[in-house]
Amino acid sequence: EAQVTQNPRYLITVTGKKLTVTCSQNMNHEYMSWYRQDPGLGLRQIYYSMNVEVTDKGDVPEGYKVSRKEKRNFPLILESPSPNQTSLYFCASSQGWTAYNSPLHFGNGTRLTVT
Amino acid sequence: GDSVTQMEGPVTLSEEAFLTINCTYTATGYPSLFWYVQYPGEGLQLLLKATKADDKGSNKGFEATYRKETTSFHLEKGSVQVSDSAVYFCALSLLTGGGNKLTFGTGTQLKVEL
Repeated sequence: EAQVTQNPRYLITVTGKKLTVTCSQNMNHEYMSWYRQDPGLGLRQIYYSMNVEVTDKGDVPEGYKVSRKEKRNFPLILESPSPNQTSLYFCASSQGWTAYNSPLHFGNGTRLTVT
Repeated sequence: GDSVTQMEGPVTLSEEAFLTINCTYTATGYPSLFWYVQYPGEGLQLLLKATKADDKGSNKGFEATYRKETTSFHLEKGSVQVSDSAVYFCALSLLTGGGNKLTFGTGTQLKVEL
């Protein structure tokens, strides 16, 4: 089954403790992206990757890192989480780089709480 | 900057009622427009899309028409079902250096009751 898999689904951590949220897709997609979803703000892009070893900042990259060493994986790293990073995070992927002919496929989300 | 404005929710309807969720956009270029749906506990799924003015996207009984003159892309359905209860996001995309980036509205929660 074609899917984007994120882990974990739920994570509670403390301020400053490094964490990684994993994302994997089995569709051989070139493009991958991370979004965070906050009430009243919708979804905002954190980072994206157009291919292996090619990553770039989205609209809200502060406090996050990513890597793309393999085509299928795109982990999101929080080196020193803070309470304002409490949010619902989504990984997404698509075959191509243009939304109109290459729809994004989303994972089921990771709910992160930083205390 | 580019932005999408959706009507506030939640919207509560009885089954078989007519649905409209308003969406307007501001964009510097000529965007493609989308509606995504998020069911409880799941990620977003593409519901429909339109890529140029006067295009009508449709899927599962939902429709939306790209209106360039009013910069709108309102979502409609003639008869909603309980299973349509979800959060609906309007979004736009422009061809930029950022690749496949979507700019989302804040989402509108729909609750359909028997």
